[in-house]
Amino acid sequence: AQTVTQSQPEMSVQEAETVTLSCTYDTSESDYYLFWYKQPPSRQMILVIRQEAYKQQNATENRFSVNFQKAAKSFSLKISDSQLGDAAMYFCACFQGGSEKLVFGKGTKLTVNP
Amino acid sequence: DSGVTQTPKHLITATGQRVTLRCSPRSGDLSVYWYQQSLDQGLQFLIQYYNGEERAKGNILERFSAQQFPDLHSELNLSSLELGDSALYFCASRPLGQGTDTQYFGPGTRLTVL
Repeated sequence: AQTVTQSQPEMSVQEAETVTLSCTYDTSESDYYLFWYKQPPSRQMILVIRQEAYKQQNATENRFSVNFQKAAKSFSLKISDSQLGDAAMYFCACFQGGSEKLVFGKGTKLTVNP
Repeated sequence: DSGVTQTPKHLITATGQRVTLRCSPRSGDLSVYWYQQSLDQGLQFLIQYYNGEERAKGNILERFSAQQFPDLHSELNLSSLELGDSALYFCASRPLGQGTDTQYFGPGTRLTVL
């Protein structure tokens, strides 16, 4: 079965500092994709970053980057220069092409302190 | 704005009733996914449609059903509603083609069952 685990229910960071959110996953397929989604208080699900499992290079989107460790099945999100607008729930998710579904972790609530 | 629209934004109804949630995918996207987000179960995949056909099923109750119409919009029907069905229901769409594993989420419909 496909599972995604986020072990940090809550995290906090000072504005302008860096924070890393952890995620581990388990999948039996070799063809899969990993995502981080952000859910602010508006409840909208916003795509933050995407990683293809067959690519070794870690994905980067502006202040957001991932550390993808395929052998360890780890997919952490690093937010640099944290801003107040980064405060949200962050969900790690895994998509397997074979099962056609996105499996989410329980989420990490990120607080950004001014 | 993801380009996925959902109506209504909020729905309040009573136990035993039936409701219909509507979703319009992004222009050109053939795949539509439905997810339920509740406090105790987190984000769970319910069902997927591709170009009018059911493609994958997740943890969808028998009281729930969905369909996708020729214009590609989708409806999720929830019947014999129970208090535990109160949740945020998301629709997502996915494009077809290379690198199209990403799902784009609508703003959600918040269902409250009293």
